[in-house]
Order: sequence, then C-alpha cells, then structure tokens
Amino acid sequence: KNEVEQSPQNLTAQEGEFITINCSYSVGISALHWLQQHPGGGIVSLFMLSSGKKKHGRLIATINIQEKHSSLHITASHPRDSAVYICAVYGNTGNQFYFGTGTSLTVIP
Amino acid sequence: SQTIHQWPATLVQPVGSPLSLECTVEGTSNPNLYWYRQAAGRGLQLLFYSVGIGQISSEVPQNLSASRPQDRQFILSSKKLLLSDSGFYLCAWTLRSYGYTFGSGTRLTVV
Repeated sequence: KNEVEQSPQNLTAQEGEFITINCSYSVGISALHWLQQHPGGGIVSLFMLSSGKKKHGRLIATINIQEKHSSLHITASHPRDSAVYICAVYGNTGNQFYFGTGTSLTVIP
Repeated sequence: SQTIHQWPATLVQPVGSPLSLECTVEGTSNPNLYWYRQAAGRGLQLLFYSVGIGQISSEVPQNLSASRPQDRQFILSSKKLLLSDSGFYLCAWTLRSYGYTFGSGTRLTVV
C-alpha cells in the first residue's frame, strides 16, 4: 500500500469547471506539498501546507491533519491548467518525501 | 535566490554504457539532496538522498549509485546502463520540509 493515495488518477473537465483533487496519506507528516508537472516533465511546487488552507490565484489547497487528507481545488479551470498534479508529504520521522502517483488533468476548451 | 541546475536535459545512451547526471544547487547551504526517477506511467520513486557531503542513503537497490563530493553537488551514476534504467530523472533539494525545489529533469532513453 502506498503511503500517499491520490484520486482521481485521471480527470477531464470542461473549461470553467471547478476541479477537486484529493490526497490521503498514512504517515505522520511535517508538511504536505502539491506539485504540478507539465507535459515536458518539469515540476513546480504549488503549495506547502502544514495546516489549514492556502490560496494562490485560482488554486486553493486545504489540509485536515486529523483526517490525514488534503484537497487541491482549481476554480474556473482553463486549458493551461492541464498537467499532472502530485501530492507529496514530508514524513516527520526521516528525510524523505512520499509521493502520490499523480492526477492527470485535461481541461477541454 | 535559491536555484537548482540539472543537466543534461535529454540523453540517449546505449545499453552497457556509463551514466553521469549532475545536479548543483545555489543559494543555500547544507541542503538535503534527492534523486528521483519517474518511469512511464508511474509516480516518482526515490532513488537516493543525502543529508551531507559523502552521506548517501539508497532507497532502491539497483545498478545506479550516487555521490555528493561537495555540499551543493549531487551526482547520479551508473557503470553499465540497462534498458530498464530509461525514465525521467529529477534532482531535488530541501531544507528539511521547506524550500522543496525540483530540477528541470533529465529524460534518459537507453537503447
């Protein structure tokens, strides 16, 4: 069983739709990251969370530490949001990140 | 500012040839450094991590090795590549759980 589970694996949405990607983890963590990987492979960090909620533009990330769950929301989705979104947690017992397998998002114009 | 450089961006190597991928970090000291591999259709897999010069931890036994000759330099190597070594290799650094940054990656194709 993976330490980090993401859902859905694949997601297709119409432009303008509200999108939610979920992440559940089973290890104790000191931080959770949401990453975006573009088709060329490059990865950028969208958010780092240890509690509560963060917002950046049309992106919102929330985390519930008690439930070991995080969500990434995209409001008013746009085709340029098409990418793979990866949830990663930093374990609190060692120097290691655990990664979800990613959610492949396609936003259709 | 903190930056991470990874090269080359793409590489095509024959089976049995050696490999050397380099990653350097600027703007920080004593980072934790990581090598990850992403095989087609799979998530990121941690290969090696380092908490200091000369300190390497291996997560997955295979024909790859890593070295950290300087504080901000991390090298991934192989003496003889296998077809199964093909994938997308990413270097990353953190200061514990902060400043988590990936390099731009190297797409390796072993033929």
